[in-house]
Amino acid sequence: QVQLVQSGAEVKKPGSSVKVSCKASGGTFSRYALSWVRQAPGQGLEWMGLIIPIFGTANYAQNFQGRVSITTDESRSTSYMELNILRSADTAVYYCARHPLNLQGQVDPTIDFWGQGTLVTVSS
Amino acid sequence: QSALTQPASVSGSPGQSITISCTGTSSDVGTYNLVSWYQQHPGKAPKLMIYEGNKRPSGVSNRFSGSKSGNTASLTISGLQAEDEADYYCCSYAGSSTWVFGGGTKLTVL
Repeated sequence: QVQLVQSGAEVKKPGSSVKVSCKASGGTFSRYALSWVRQAPGQGLEWMGLIIPIFGTANYAQNFQGRVSITTDESRSTSYMELNILRSADTAVYYCARHPLNLQGQVDPTIDFWGQGTLVTVSS
Repeated sequence: QSALTQPASVSGSPGQSITISCTGTSSDVGTYNLVSWYQQHPGKAPKLMIYEGNKRPSGVSNRFSGSKSGNTASLTISGLQAEDEADYYCCSYAGSSTWVFGGGTKLTVL
């Protein structure tokens, strides 16, 4: 089964960008779509966007349109989430999470497994 | 996309049953029978407990069950155990390849 291993914690200045990686290991990267979800300290989960690696297409939540970019590098079985123009409110743990794909390449609506999370701290 | 509404906290004694509600709209919970529930212990990643409203993944106790009525989904945990103490989140498909989460519910086992 595919496991998801994320990059380490980051500390960023307001106005800068952060790029978090999520490497899939132990399985076939192309069998999954990946959502990115964040969780601010003491807060709930917030869906940011999803990418289907075999198609290279991404879809984003309205709250993050224009500020987030989700990409993949199939040769490295890795997805990346880049968030720009960071502010203190972006301090959060960022998770990648997988959705299986069916044989027709359609995304299963259920997130069945999560990465370990990456803490991004935005502070001057 | 507004977050789904969950109670901030619920509590119960060992052996009792509790139910956590998750209220959305006709654009998400009400239209799609695609609500999932996640358990999250402090400092850990969420874990899938219920999917497609009422299905349990392999390995999840049958003490966990899900249901839906109208725009509200529910998670019921029967025979509460100390290890069930955690935060619980609902998540619904919201159409057009988007998803929405609930604000989370803290379950305390007294």
